[in-house]
Amino acid sequence: DSGVTQTPKHLITATGQRVTLRCSPRSGDLSVYWYQQSLDQGLQFLIQYYNGEERAKGNILERFSAQQFPDLHSELNLSSLELGDSALYFCASSVAGDGYTFGSGTRLTVV
Amino acid sequence: GDSVTQMEGPVTLSEEAFLTINCTYTATGYPSLFWYVQYPGEGLQLLLKATKADDKGSNKGFEATYRKETTSFHLEKGSVQVSDSAVYFCALSPAEAGGTSYGKLTFGQGTILTVHP
Repeated sequence: DSGVTQTPKHLITATGQRVTLRCSPRSGDLSVYWYQQSLDQGLQFLIQYYNGEERAKGNILERFSAQQFPDLHSELNLSSLELGDSALYFCASSVAGDGYTFGSGTRLTVV
Repeated sequence: GDSVTQMEGPVTLSEEAFLTINCTYTATGYPSLFWYVQYPGEGLQLLLKATKADDKGSNKGFEATYRKETTSFHLEKGSVQVSDSAVYFCALSPAEAGGTSYGKLTFGQGTILTVHP
């Protein structure tokens, strides 16, 4: 157990739907990062939050949004889902000087 | 922007063979460098890291040296095992800013390693 918890582990949904992925960071970590892993794009950075505030944005679609709550857990919301959104979504957390710890991911399948 | 380039895979080796996976990077300043490993069906695990030039990261028999002059961080292992079969990712994070947190990790495309008995 890495200490970063992601739920659910698997998600199957239809095109056009909306889903929410959840991440609880390691205790004491203030930063949360979201990544998308797909066969054709590899590991793509989506967005980073630090202590509740958006810190950096990567290749995140407008249909996707995220937030970090006062208890530091984070949610990634994916809407108007398309087949191409099927991927593994990873969350990672970090604290300065200690590196990044990844969760086990959520596998999203859009049918 | 920052980028990481890994050697093309897949790499197939026999048990006890020597492993090298090349990694070069483009970044400003002095980024931190990482190797992550992903076993089938699992998330990414930190294998080793180096935070400044000439540092050597090591773990589980794997080693990589931060070479600023060649902007490289090649992964090596002297004798691979079947259990090392996985996907290996080289990654960097920008030079620490303000001491509050690392910036985002930029990953290479990953190298699939298969080790046969």
